[in-house]
Order: sequence, then structure tokens, then C-alpha cells
Amino acid sequence: AQKVTQAQTEISVVEKEDVTLDCVYETRDTTYYLFWYKQPPSGELVFLIRRNSFDEQNEISGRYSWNFQKSTSSFNFTITASQVVDSAVYFCALSEDNTDKLIFGTGTRLQVFP
Amino acid sequence: DAGVIQSPRHEVTEMGQEVTLRCKPISGHDYLFWYRQTMMRGLELLIYFNNNVPIDDSGMPEDRFSAKMPNASFSTLKIQPSEPRDSAVYFCASSLGQGRRTEAFFGQGTRLTVV
Repeated sequence: AQKVTQAQTEISVVEKEDVTLDCVYETRDTTYYLFWYKQPPSGELVFLIRRNSFDEQNEISGRYSWNFQKSTSSFNFTITASQVVDSAVYFCALSEDNTDKLIFGTGTRLQVFP
Repeated sequence: DAGVIQSPRHEVTEMGQEVTLRCKPISGHDYLFWYRQTMMRGLELLIYFNNNVPIDDSGMPEDRFSAKMPNASFSTLKIQPSEPRDSAVYFCASSLGQGRRTEAFFGQGTRLTVV
């Protein structure tokens, strides 16, 4: 069965701190896709990144970086030098190759204080 | 493009009433998804369409829920009769190509309150 676990319910940091959001997934498929979405206070879900199971290269986009490790079934997300505007709920999600259904984790609420 | 457009943004209705939520996907997108977000269950997929055809409705909670996509630019999610436990934020999303391989773009959601 497929499952996504985000063990951190809420994280609070002070601006300019680095923060890592954890994501652990379960799947029996060898081909699958992992996603991160951001849900700011305004409520909409904003796509951040997608990785497929064959691409374990880490990705960096500005202050954001993602660490995908198949050996530990993890797809962690790091924000460097956090800013108040990063305050949001962040969701990790999984899709297996035989379906277009996204299975979301429960989300991690990040609060960045000035 | 204006993005995925959902209406209404907020809906308050009395138990037993019919509720219809509407969605206009991004033009050219061939996949449309309906999700529900609650505190208890998080984000869960209700149903999704490919080229206007329902592909997987296993997430629809019960027969009171129905969804249609009469054309490529419009979809509805109907609840009849509504119950207080249906209170949630309902999101519509669309994607170009297989949803597993591409990002889905979400609307701003409809916050439904059933009293």
C-alpha cells in the first residue's frame, strides 16, 4: 500500500534559520513520482517540485533544495535562510506509476518568525 | 491563463440541501481532479477525469456525492443531500498529461460549511 508520512506536524523557526521538512514514503512500485506542494495562508496549493523514482539527483532552486534517498525512502525538503513569506503548510505527495492519484502526507506547518 | 477557477469560494448551507461546486480547469489540460481537505482526513482524492471521462471515483465517500464533466472546460461536484460531516475545503485541480508525471495546478478551493 502507498503511504506518505510527514512526522513533523509543526515547525517554528526564526528568520534566516535553515529548516528541513521530512517526508518518508511507502510504495511497492519501482516506478513512482514524488511531489512537494506549498499551501500558504491564502489556501491554494502551489506546486514546488516533482521527482521520479529513477532520478536520485538532489535539486536546488534558489533557497530551496530537495534530498531524495531511495535507500531510506525519503524525500526531504530544506529551506535555506528562511523568510517570513515561507510560512505555510508544506505537503509531500506520492503517485505510483499505475495511477494518476496523488497520495498526500498530513502536511508540516512551518512558521517563520521575524 | 487565469488558472483553475472554482466557484463559489465559500458556501454555507443547511443540512439536507443540495450543493453544487463548480470548476473551470486550465485550458488545454486533459486531467481534472477533485480533492477534499479536512482536519481529520487531510487531503484526499475524490475523483478524477481524463478527457472528460471519469477514471477513478473510488474516493467518493458515498452515493450522495456525484461529479460530472460535460465538456473540457467545466466540471461540477454535487452533494445531495448535504450533511454537516461534508464540511470541508474542496479543491479542483487540472494537469496536462498524466497526473503522475506532471504537476497539478490547484484552484483556490471552495470552503463548504453545512449547518
